[in-house]
Amino acid sequence: DAGVTQSPTHLIKTRGQQVTLRCSPKSGHDTVSWYQQALGQGPQFIFQYYEEEERQRGNFPDRFSGHQFPNYSSELNVNALLLGDSALYLCASSFLSGKSGEQYFGPGTRLTVT
Amino acid sequence: SQQGEEDPQALSIQEGENATMNCSYKTSINNLQWYRQNSGRGLVHLILIRSNEREKHSGRLRVTLDTSKKSSSLLITASRAADTASYFCATASSSNTGKLIFGQGTTLQVKP
Repeated sequence: DAGVTQSPTHLIKTRGQQVTLRCSPKSGHDTVSWYQQALGQGPQFIFQYYEEEERQRGNFPDRFSGHQFPNYSSELNVNALLLGDSALYLCASSFLSGKSGEQYFGPGTRLTVT
Repeated sequence: SQQGEEDPQALSIQEGENATMNCSYKTSINNLQWYRQNSGRGLVHLILIRSNEREKHSGRLRVTLDTSKKSSSLLITASRAADTASYFCATASSSNTGKLIFGQGTTLQVKP
């Protein structure tokens, strides 16, 4: 049973460029959440997708957008990259109707903006 | 913004000793979860405790929750070098269980 997978593992972009990160949820999960983790900090919630719609959003600008596909996989897009967007981006999957509330995290994508 | 604060920020102990980490939070919660992170990689779920529970055990882990004080503690007994990692608490609010709010984390070093 594959866990949460993310691609790519590492990415280097230039300020002003756009980036797309990808996530495949754990088998049986229908909900994907994205988090940003700056160095030395705890993860911060970006948004959550369920049934191909953004269900809720954290305090992030519109430069951050996402998508969920019919197979529950998801993409995170960031436009007009800033140096401050350099971080580890984590994807987490869960089962929305599940009672446990646990979220299972992928290994993350390390984004460096130069 | 971070929901909670973790204490201590860093902890160094010898193998075999117990490690205790504390987490405080600000709002009403549905549940509180503890995660481990090795070297800036993905988070591994350790244990979830619900707001109506006071204590929970999983192997060498013991978690307590005091909702009146809005605090939780994670105890790792008989620590091993492999327990060296960062530990985060995360809360899911009563009104919004899908969004986890993380603390700053405690960095644990277990010396062999």
